[in-house]
Amino acid sequence: GAGVSQSPRYKVAKRGQDVALRCDPISGHVSLFWYQQALGQGPEFLTYFQNEAQLDKSGLPSDRFFAERPEGSVSTLKIQRTQQEDSAVYLCASSPGTSLLSTDTQYFGPGTRLTVL
Amino acid sequence: KNEVEQSPQNLTAQEGEFITINCSYSVGISALHWLQQHPGGGIVSLFMLSSGKKKHGRLIATINIQEKHSSLHITASHPRDSAVYICAVLNTDKLIFGTGTRLQVFP
Repeated sequence: GAGVSQSPRYKVAKRGQDVALRCDPISGHVSLFWYQQALGQGPEFLTYFQNEAQLDKSGLPSDRFFAERPEGSVSTLKIQRTQQEDSAVYLCASSPGTSLLSTDTQYFGPGTRLTVL
Repeated sequence: KNEVEQSPQNLTAQEGEFITINCSYSVGISALHWLQQHPGGGIVSLFMLSSGKKKHGRLIATINIQEKHSSLHITASHPRDSAVYICAVLNTDKLIFGTGTRLQVFP
């Protein structure tokens, strides 16, 4: 596709439910990032993949959060036993660079707005 | 204290005005991004810079590495420039974001 796509765009979950958020990066992009953006705040880093390797997951807020990119393309962010504080927009971005210090532009998806009731 | 701070948080302007948004950071960086976020969440990268100045149309971005400060300028502002502008710095392998500046330009 022409850009980064994410699905679903909106997700409402009851507290305690598990959710899975999908990111389709730009074809051929090596690096993929997940961010969490709370209402009125800037995005915050969650995790980073280079191809299928998860090189940095220091931003994941708890062990309820899990991300994977098994074939180095599509990525899924899974949140188990959702809590109200998980409500946020989850943004995915990809970039063509391969270096940890890449200064390539990151291309952002439209985000998934998660609301936990 | 946030590692990336922006000012002002909110900004209103009349069409045609010159706009300046400031960003200060306290960590070492390899690059700084200016991003534009429209309602609904879509984020677009405007600039990535590591030194000096870049210009694209009516947008100008400058960075002073020694002072750890960057500015985004919009000349001849237009209502379609209304959006949230976010400064983000690249620190090792991750972006650290400011909280954004909400700009509203009225006709």
